[in-house]
Amino acid sequence: NAGVTQTPKFQVLKTGQSMTLQCAQDMNHNSMYWYRQDPGMGLRLIYYSASEGTTDKGEVPNGYNVSRLNKREFSLRLESAAPSQTSVYFCASSGYLGSSGREDTQYFGPGTRLTVL
Amino acid sequence: GDSVTQMEGPVTLSEEAFLTINCTYTATGYPSLFWYVQYPGEGLQLLLKATKADDKGSNKGFEATYRKETTSFHLEKGSVQVSDSAVYFCALTPTSGTYKYIFGTGTRLKVLA
Repeated sequence: NAGVTQTPKFQVLKTGQSMTLQCAQDMNHNSMYWYRQDPGMGLRLIYYSASEGTTDKGEVPNGYNVSRLNKREFSLRLESAAPSQTSVYFCASSGYLGSSGREDTQYFGPGTRLTVL
Repeated sequence: GDSVTQMEGPVTLSEEAFLTINCTYTATGYPSLFWYVQYPGEGLQLLLKATKADDKGSNKGFEATYRKETTSFHLEKGSVQVSDSAVYFCALTPTSGTYKYIFGTGTRLKVLA
């Protein structure tokens, strides 16, 4: 049981290049999330997916696109990277708390450290 | 909308000192409340949680009690260790609204030997 896995762990891009960050979970969770964390700051939600086939914008979606490929996988794409997108990116997933309709514990991946030059 | 407010850091303590990190929230209904911990270079991981009023979550010597009357979920530990140095995040899952999870800004704890 690997939990939440992310690839790659590190990446350096030049301004204008594109890349896709991959995320997969093996806990059969419905919800998946992408966050960014800048140095000394908290988490900011980029996009989330409440179920397979649905995605919604978070606080900071500009410059990013996402795909919920299936229940396990949720990818984040930077079409034209900018230095302002230098950050650590975390993927997370969560299931429901019983029949409450609320989310239960979020499980996080180890992160992707992205530098855009 | 729903929100979480944490005390500003960093918090610097000597080993074996008592720790309190304050967390208050604004929410409609009865959200679930969580504390997550992030060690250097890692992702966040659950430390403890409480899903209804008056519940006490506990783990690894840390405790927090869901206080509906004061809308608080303060994190406490009786005797901190150097290995507790990390960033601590308070979070809630709202019962309504746009987002499924709301995190506080995090509080950095540094424990000195």
